[in-house]
Amino acid sequence: TQLLEQSPQFLSIQEGENLTVYCNSSSVFSSLQWYRQEPGEGPVLLVTVVTGGEVKKLKRLTFQFGDARKDSSLHITAAQPGDTGLYLCAGEGDQAGTALIFGKGTTLSVSS
Amino acid sequence: DSGVTQTPKHLITATGQRVTLRCSPRSGDLSVYWYQQSLDQGLQFLIQYYNGEERAKGNILERFSAQQFPDLHSELNLSSLELGDSALYFCASSVIGTLPTDTQYFGPGTRLTVL
Repeated sequence: TQLLEQSPQFLSIQEGENLTVYCNSSSVFSSLQWYRQEPGEGPVLLVTVVTGGEVKKLKRLTFQFGDARKDSSLHITAAQPGDTGLYLCAGEGDQAGTALIFGKGTTLSVSS
Repeated sequence: DSGVTQTPKHLITATGQRVTLRCSPRSGDLSVYWYQQSLDQGLQFLIQYYNGEERAKGNILERFSAQQFPDLHSELNLSSLELGDSALYFCASSVIGTLPTDTQYFGPGTRLTVL
């Protein structure tokens, strides 16, 4: 069974601080995605990483896929209140590249 | 707004009952996915349809069933409801239904409460 473990589960920080969220597995994933979900809404895709060691940047967000494709991280620089939300990582499952396996998420709260 | 619509937004029902959740995908998307989100299990994939045909099955209970109609909208039927079925149910759609290049767009969800 493929599982994705996210840490920390909760993170409460002040505006301007940096943070890193981790997504780990004992299984290899052919691709991994990060989503952000706000209360009352569905998840929104932020990025997809497919190559081991890949680094992608989206403004103040930096995503990294581990060399062995078993883990990923999301780093936010100078967090803002608008970054508040639930961050989910999701990996491409075994079923012929159609099903996503989600971690349980990291709830981030950024206060001003 | 993702372009995916789900109805109803909230649903309150009793144990043992049956409900139907409806999803309309984004215009042009052929694939529809159903997910269940609960506090203890997180977001779990239930089932995927592509152009009317079932493509992939996840952790979907036998009491649950789904279908995708010729106009591409989809319905998720939940029967013999139990307290533990209370959750957020999301529908997502994508163009061709293959990872990793095909983006899934999620609807706003239906919150089901079973009393």
